Amino acid sequence: DQQVKQNSPSLSVQEGRISILNCDYTNSMFDYFLWYKKYPAEGPTFLISISSIKDKNEDGRFTVFLNKSAKHLSLHIVPSQPGDSAVYFCAASHFNAGGTSYGKLTFGQGTILTVHP
Amino acid sequence: DARVTQTPRHKVTEMGQEVTMRCQPILGHNTVFWYRQTMMQGLELLAYFRNRAPLDDSGMPKDRFSAEMPDATLATLKIQPSEPRDSAVYFCASGLWTGTYEQYFGPGTRLTVT
Repeated sequence: DQQVKQNSPSLSVQEGRISILNCDYTNSMFDYFLWYKKYPAEGPTFLISISSIKDKNEDGRFTVFLNKSAKHLSLHIVPSQPGDSAVYFCAASHFNAGGTSYGKLTFGQGTILTVHP
Repeated sequence: DARVTQTPRHKVTEMGQEVTMRCQPILGHNTVFWYRQTMMQGLELLAYFRNRAPLDDSGMPKDRFSAEMPDATLATLKIQPSEPRDSAVYFCASGLWTGTYEQYFGPGTRLTVT
């Protein structure tokens, strides 16, 4: 059962334009969401996060939007740059979970972003 | 520059052999995670330690996989016996619970079982 889904395996964007990566989740207990970026032959690196008490969080060119009613979040990259080409993973967690769920992240399958010069 | 380190980076082995992967978490981090990345499943959580105690290994095939933290600077993931379907990239990540869920990943071990 895939609780976090990234339905687009890949996305291709022109340099300077906006990249929008989408993520859907099914577990209504999730209340903290993160985006990770992964380059080939490297581990994922943290990009940006958002708590469910917010609907938007911005960090430079990266903005994450959360729509709790739709159980949907998106990552916007503006403007896109060729160096942004990577695999982007969406992840979710239950912030207030106790016991063995505390600190666990559930990841989506990833979306390959290609930014063309 | 604190980083998670993993050894080996690449491992090719024959079916039936034992494989041991090692991870050194960032000094001071109290949570350690093992993930497996496959094309079909993305990043799957295999095991999770907090303060060296195993909290959750429900994602791990129990009959052949085992994860341990002999001390705070070393986490190990063993597969015995290995099978071709175990071929994947295995990541270790560490974190420090400070109210966020940021995890810091190592570069991964690419395992090929023939």
